[in-house]
Amino acid sequence: DTEVTQTPKHLVMGMTNKKSLKCEQHMGHRAMYWYKQKAKKPPELMFVYSYEKLSINESVPSRFSPECPNSSLLNLHLHALQPEDSALYLCASSQDDRPSSTDTQYFGPGTRLTVL
Amino acid sequence: DAKTTQPNSMESNEEEPVHLPCNHSTISGTDYIHWYRQLPSQGPEYVIHGLTSNVNNRMASLAIAEDRKSSTLILHRATLRDAAVYYCILRVGIGGATNKLIFGTGTLLAVQP
Repeated sequence: DTEVTQTPKHLVMGMTNKKSLKCEQHMGHRAMYWYKQKAKKPPELMFVYSYEKLSINESVPSRFSPECPNSSLLNLHLHALQPEDSALYLCASSQDDRPSSTDTQYFGPGTRLTVL
Repeated sequence: DAKTTQPNSMESNEEEPVHLPCNHSTISGTDYIHWYRQLPSQGPEYVIHGLTSNVNNRMASLAIAEDRKSSTLILHRATLRDAAVYYCILRVGIGGATNKLIFGTGTLLAVQP
């Protein structure tokens, strides 16, 4: 099974709402990633978790809060978002994230988020 | 940050070879070159990667220039299912403890029947 699943597929939320995005993988991977992708642009890295610890935060605003409850699950908690946060949010995983690793990343299909 | 540049779009005919170029003049010695593609309404999908030598796999070939400042992804026989955005990516190490993918802007490949 080389699948990364993401729920929900689509999410519409108001600026005062609190919602969460969920990502799951059962490949035994120890590194998990959140990316943001605006229309017709490449994905931009937001966060990296390595062995359930946050290893990279790309200066993401605090209204985005990641969580890695266990090695298979990655959440992204959303609160007080702005309309410009509307985008496709992609989750990915890899065996690990060490520089010496040549492991590739497996991406989920993404959650399409619209902030009204 | 290291950076890649790619043409915005390219066209190919079905069953013909496609050469997708990428420039990465600021690449450092330990950066890997990765290629991913993204089909409509899907997440990116790994295609191939390399460091210095040319690489082949069942999907494609990767030709890396001797000075590593450019590379070319080669699809040997394009099919309609190969129509996608192809990203040339540098995988860079961060602080000796982790690594990240830096995506280029991508080339939209159209395949004509």
